[in-house]
Order: sequence, then structure tokens, then C-alpha cells
Amino acid sequence: QVQLVQSGAEVKKPGASVKVSCKASGYTFNSYYLHWVRQAPGQGLEWMGIINPTGGSTNYAQKFQGRVTMTRDTSTSTVYMEVGSLRFEDTAVYYCARVSNRAFDFWGQGTMVTVSS
Amino acid sequence: QSALTQPPSASGSHGQSVTISCTGTSSDVGGYNYVSWYQHHPGKAPKLMIYEVSKRPSGVPDRFSGSKSGNTASLTVSGLQAEDEAEYYCSSYAGSNKWVFGGGTKLTVL
Repeated sequence: QVQLVQSGAEVKKPGASVKVSCKASGYTFNSYYLHWVRQAPGQGLEWMGIINPTGGSTNYAQKFQGRVTMTRDTSTSTVYMEVGSLRFEDTAVYYCARVSNRAFDFWGQGTMVTVSS
Repeated sequence: QSALTQPPSASGSHGQSVTISCTGTSSDVGGYNYVSWYQHHPGKAPKLMIYEVSKRPSGVPDRFSGSKSGNTASLTVSGLQAEDEAEYYCSSYAGSNKWVFGGGTKLTVL
């Protein structure tokens, strides 16, 4: 069965960076793009960007360009999402999600990132 | 890109029907038949309920249906059940490998 398993919760100080992982299993890793979506407390879902596992190409929402980096490791079927220069408003649950037919059909369990001084 | 517009809340009695709207622009909802809907219970991962405007993934009850007219998509939940109470989000492909979500609608079953 398809599974996306994310790394555990993180607490970071403002200005630091955080890297969240998402390990895929149960399907052919290279066959589906993966996305990152976040949800800040009391807010809605926010699309952050997409990574093509085959070549590693990425596309980010304009809001995150220059501050977010998505990478992948095909040897472990894992994608990573790093957010730099963290701000208090980056406190959120971060999800990875697989896309099929341009819809997010499988999601990771979410990773809580707290930015606190 | 701007978020799609959803009503903050919707409600209906057990067994009744409710429709949630999702309004975008000709660059997203109106431009592609790639609107999807997600059910989100607190503390859990979102669940895909509708894709490509009106298609249901395997396992989703046929009480859930989707449609689109122009720049507005809609999700209808018929025969409301207690377990349908959740936050619902729409999403649309917006071209050039970009996606956008709606602000979410809290559905309450009375």
C-alpha cells in the first residue's frame, strides 16, 4: 500500500533552517510527482511547491521562492523540503503529498515545525 | 497566485444535503478541469474526496459529488452523516506546474 512517512516534529529558532523528510513506499517512486503543503495554526492549506522525483526539477509557489528548497534521494525514495530563514509565521504542520491526475491522492502524516525564540 | 474563495462555514441537518462553493479565476478553476476536494479532520492528513471536478476515488461514498460552472466549482454532500463533519478544501491546478487551495469550509452537521 502507498505510504508517505515523514520525519518528526521540530522546534527551531527564528533565522534557523529546518529540513523535513518524506519517505515513499508502496509504489514506483519515479512515477509520481510529490508536493509540499503546509497548514499554519487556524489557517487553511497552502501549496508550497512540487518536485519531480525523476530528474529532481522543482517549481515553488512565488511566496516561497528563494527560501524553500526541495530535493530527493532516489536511492531511498525520499524527498526533502528545507525552509531557510525561519520566521514565527512559518510555524505550521508540513505535509508531503503525492499527485495523480493533478490531485493529491496520498498524504504524509504531517510534521509540526514550531518556530520559537 | 491568490487562494480560491470558499465560504468559511456551511451546515445541514442529518440526512439533508449541503453544497460548498469554490470560486477562482479563468487561470485556475475556469481554465482546467482539475479541481479536487479534500476532507480534513483535525490531527489527521487530508483525504481526497473528488478529483477532476467530479470523479470519486475508490472508497469515497457516492453521497459526495462535484461539479463546475465557469470559475466556480461545487462540492455537494447528500444524506449528511455525523462523520461528514470536517473542514473541506478545494484545490485547482493553475498551470505551469502550480496549484492553489481554497481557504477551507467548516462543515457542521446539525
